[in-house]
Order: sequence, then C-alpha cells, then structure tokens
Amino acid sequence: DGGITQSPKYLFRKEGQNVTLSCEQNLNHDAMYWYRQDPGQGLRLIYYSQIVNDFQKGDIAEGYSVSREKKESFPLTVTSAQKNPTAFYLCASSISRGWYNEQFFGPGTRLTVL
Amino acid sequence: AQRVTQPEKLLSVFKGAPVELKCNYSYSGSPELFWYVQYSRQRLQLLLRHISRESIKGFTADLNKGETSFHLKKPFAQEEDSAMYYCAFLIKAAGNKLTFGGGTRVLVKP
Repeated sequence: DGGITQSPKYLFRKEGQNVTLSCEQNLNHDAMYWYRQDPGQGLRLIYYSQIVNDFQKGDIAEGYSVSREKKESFPLTVTSAQKNPTAFYLCASSISRGWYNEQFFGPGTRLTVL
Repeated sequence: AQRVTQPEKLLSVFKGAPVELKCNYSYSGSPELFWYVQYSRQRLQLLLRHISRESIKGFTADLNKGETSFHLKKPFAQEEDSAMYYCAFLIKAAGNKLTFGGGTRVLVKP
C-alpha cells in the first residue's frame, strides 16, 4: 500500500457542519477522483479532476465541493447541504497511457453524521 | 443512460465449485471494461481488464458485445476469493470516468 493516502480514517460530524476529507497522492498522476460507496449501490462519482486547477462534477456532486490547487492533493468538502452524508468515501488517482487505464484507490474515510 | 448492472448482490459457493459473476452494461459504443475487487480490510484494486485478455488469480472475463456483458468466471473457487467484486466501464471520451456496478459479494465456504 502507499501512493494514495486519505485522512482521517474515521470522521464524525454534527449536523450543520462542513467537513473536509483529505486525499494526497505521490504517484505523479494527473487525474484524481472522489467516490461515495454505499451498500448495494456500488461506487458513485462525486467529482473528478483531470488536471491541476480544473475539476468537473460527477453524478452526485450536490452538497459537495472540491479544489485542485496542487497535483498531489484533491480535498473534498462535505457541506451541510448534503442531505445524507454518512457514507464511506474513496479517493482515487489514475494513469492513462494510450490504451492503458487504471485507477488506484486510497484506503477510504468513513464519515458519520451524528 | 450509461449503466452497469450486477444482478447478484451475494453469491455463496463451496470451495472448488465454479463461480460466475454477472455484469451487463448499457452503452452503444465500445467502452473499456474492468473488474475491481475489494478484499476484507484492503483497498479496492484492479483485478482484470478486458483489453488485456488476461487471467488473474484464475479469473477470466470475456467481453460479449452482442449481449453487452462482461461476466467474471473462475472454474474452482478458493476461500481467499471471498470478497466484494465490482464491474466497471470507462469511456475515454467522457474524461476517463469509471462507472461502477452495485457490486457482488462472493462468499466461498469451506
């Protein structure tokens, strides 16, 4: 393991609070992604970034925000507008060389709203 | 809409028995297809990709464009195969985004 780190491992938040999840990679990957994992629903894409200072909404971006100021870092903020934020959050980065594509995943952060 | 469907949420088999995880996708073009696996307390990781036509840990998957399927198969399941398996497809034209299925939990009993 290594390459992509997420912190913290567990996070508790009170309703109405914003919280930021950290994701760092030292793989020199251009692209980074945030997914939400819920039982029975697989992984759903929240936001992704193909390059520094640029990012796009995924399928479930409402109530979330991101920034990509550095190649290595792609923090995700879960805002109070997210109606059901309790979930397991996965960060990934990817390499793409011609036909070769692979996403590498971090260990995840479990967010619980109290 | 682009979608990946894994109809079985849970597959329970005995050690040594064959196992097949179903995956169907809806997309009119030619996506790249993958199987990812998540073992207990480990990260989600790539198992295999259709473009490589490879066999990993005894698993194979064949892309059937006519049936839009990418089923994962292993002739003799082992206890260490117990894990969560996700089928996914990638469309390069859509920014290399992966779309995942809902996942299938495989339990291999001794």
